[in-house]
Amino acid sequence: NAGVTQTPKFQVLKTGQSMTLQCAQDMNHNSMYWYRQDPGMGLRLIYYSASEGTTDKGEVPNGYNVSRLNKREFSLRLESAAPSQTSVYFCASSVFRGTASGANVLTFGAGSRLTVL
Amino acid sequence: QKEVEQDPGPLSVPEGAIVSLNCTYSNSAFQYFMWYRQYSRKGPELLMYTYSSGNKEDGRFTAQVDKSSKYISLFIRDSQPSDSATYLCAMSGTGGFKTIFGAGTRLFVKA
Repeated sequence: NAGVTQTPKFQVLKTGQSMTLQCAQDMNHNSMYWYRQDPGMGLRLIYYSASEGTTDKGEVPNGYNVSRLNKREFSLRLESAAPSQTSVYFCASSVFRGTASGANVLTFGAGSRLTVL
Repeated sequence: QKEVEQDPGPLSVPEGAIVSLNCTYSNSAFQYFMWYRQYSRKGPELLMYTYSSGNKEDGRFTAQVDKSSKYISLFIRDSQPSDSATYLCAMSGTGGFKTIFGAGTRLFVKA
């Protein structure tokens, strides 16, 4: 059982280049998330998908786009990379359906380290 | 002001010590309070969570929530070198998909 798989693990881009981070989960989870982690800032939500076919902005969506390809896969695209997007990106998933009861327990991937020069 | 404040440390303790990790928050709507542990170069993993106020114990770990003070704590008893990691507090409201994380406290337990 792989859990949440992210690719690539490392990437170096030049300013203005584009790239897509891929994420897949095999736990039949309903919701999926993209976070970025920067020193001193903690994890900040970029976008999330509450269910297949829906996506919503998080705290820091500017400069990113997402696609929920199917229930398993959720990709993050940087159309024109900037040095401020240098970060570690984490994909997460959850069985959470947004109901009034139960915590939204996130299962994270191992992370993708992106450097924009 | 951040919604969730957490001292980044680092915190260094000898093996066997009791460790206290804390977060404060400003949003009264938070109802679920979580602690994640993150080893170096890995993704965070859930340690435990509590709903509303009170204590919860799981082995050597105890989580406390004081909603009146907007203050949460994680205690680690008999700390071990394998507990060396970054500990992230996290919070969310009822039915909410957005989880807000603290910056994380880096803990070192020396053998």
